[in-house]
Amino acid sequence: DSGVTQTPKHLITATGQRVTLRCSPRSGDLSVYWYQQSLDQGLQFLIQYYNGEERAKGNILERFSAQQFPDLHSELNLSSLELGDSALYFCASSGRTSGGATEDEQFFGPGTRLTVL
Amino acid sequence: DQQVKQNSPSLSVQEGRISILNCDYTNSMFDYFLWYKKYPAEGPTFLISISSIKDKNEDGRFTVFLNKSAKHLSLHIVPSQPGDSAVYFCAATPGAGSYQLTFGKGTKLSVIP
Repeated sequence: DSGVTQTPKHLITATGQRVTLRCSPRSGDLSVYWYQQSLDQGLQFLIQYYNGEERAKGNILERFSAQQFPDLHSELNLSSLELGDSALYFCASSGRTSGGATEDEQFFGPGTRLTVL
Repeated sequence: DQQVKQNSPSLSVQEGRISILNCDYTNSMFDYFLWYKKYPAEGPTFLISISSIKDKNEDGRFTVFLNKSAKHLSLHIVPSQPGDSAVYFCAATPGAGSYQLTFGKGTKLSVIP
């Protein structure tokens, strides 16, 4: 158990809809990352938040947005969903203020499997 | 354009033998490299890492080797155990100040009892 939780575990929705994925980082971690894993693809970095502020942006579509709240949990919002958005979405956290792993050693949640029909 | 490549989608090894998983990268800005292991229905789990100032890092049965001039790294597992059967992802980052990981597509390791 990495200490990172993601809800829901599975999500099935239709094209054109909007969904919200939720992530709670490990206790004390300030950074949250979102990754997308499509079929036969490695994990693609989407976006990083650090202590509530956006820190880095990767291959994130304009239809997707994220935020990190004061309690450090994060949400990834996916709108105008397309069939190609079907994927596993992982959240990871890192960067404890004291002790623990380095910033680069990210701890992953179990993922949310999104299916767009 | 894939900056981190794992050219072998799968690898089968007998229990007790050595498993060698390879990874190549193209971005010379990458400064820190990590291996993650992933079981089905779980998120990736950090395994071992190496900084570009080193050429080897060891942790129990796992050793990572880095050849910076060849932009190549490898993960050695000795001896391989059936519980090591999983998908292994190589990842890289430019390091300090930029922590986003660039992942390869993974290599599925099967350790045969």
